[in-house]
Amino acid sequence: KNEVEQSPQNLTAQEGEFITINCSYSVGISALHWLQQHPGGGIVSLFMLSSGKKKHGRLIATINIQEKHSSLHITASHPRDSAVYICAVNQGAQKLVFGQGTRLTINP
Amino acid sequence: EPEVTQTPSHQVTQMGQEVILRCVPISNHLYFYWYRQILGQKVEFLVSFYNNEISEKSEIFDDQFSVERPDGSNFTLKIRSTKLEDSAMYFCASSVEARPQHFGDGTRLSIL
Repeated sequence: KNEVEQSPQNLTAQEGEFITINCSYSVGISALHWLQQHPGGGIVSLFMLSSGKKKHGRLIATINIQEKHSSLHITASHPRDSAVYICAVNQGAQKLVFGQGTRLTINP
Repeated sequence: EPEVTQTPSHQVTQMGQEVILRCVPISNHLYFYWYRQILGQKVEFLVSFYNNEISEKSEIFDDQFSVERPDGSNFTLKIRSTKLEDSAMYFCASSVEARPQHFGDGTRLSIL
């Protein structure tokens, strides 16, 4: 069983829709990260969370430590949001364990 | 904004050859990492490095792999005798303690 599971694996939506990507983990963590990977392969850190909720522009990330679950939301989605979104958790201070990613496609 | 820089962007090497992947982390960062992503698979942790020594490594990081910080700026990953299954995208990252890790754009390694 993977330590970090994401759902859905693939998501296609129309521009403007509200997007939710889910992440569940089965291990103890010190922090959870949401990352964005573009088609060229580069990885960008979006959020690091250890509790509660964070917002940056149209992106919102939440985490429920008791339920070992996090969600990434995108409001007013746009075709430029099309990318692979990856959930990763810190086991201890440094090592990141990654989910398999969610491929998001936003159609105009 | 400061960036993690990786070179080369694409490396093609014959099986059995040694390869060195290079990274320049962000200058005030103290922790350095290598990850790999085999095509179509998830990103996997290889090794973390702090205070001039390996602080953690995965089971993937066997004797064929080594890391080095040869000077104050570069951080390298060496694969001694490459295998076909080493073909992957290799990402370097750096961080200040528990801060988010900053990733480079990756080096695509192709083993022929």
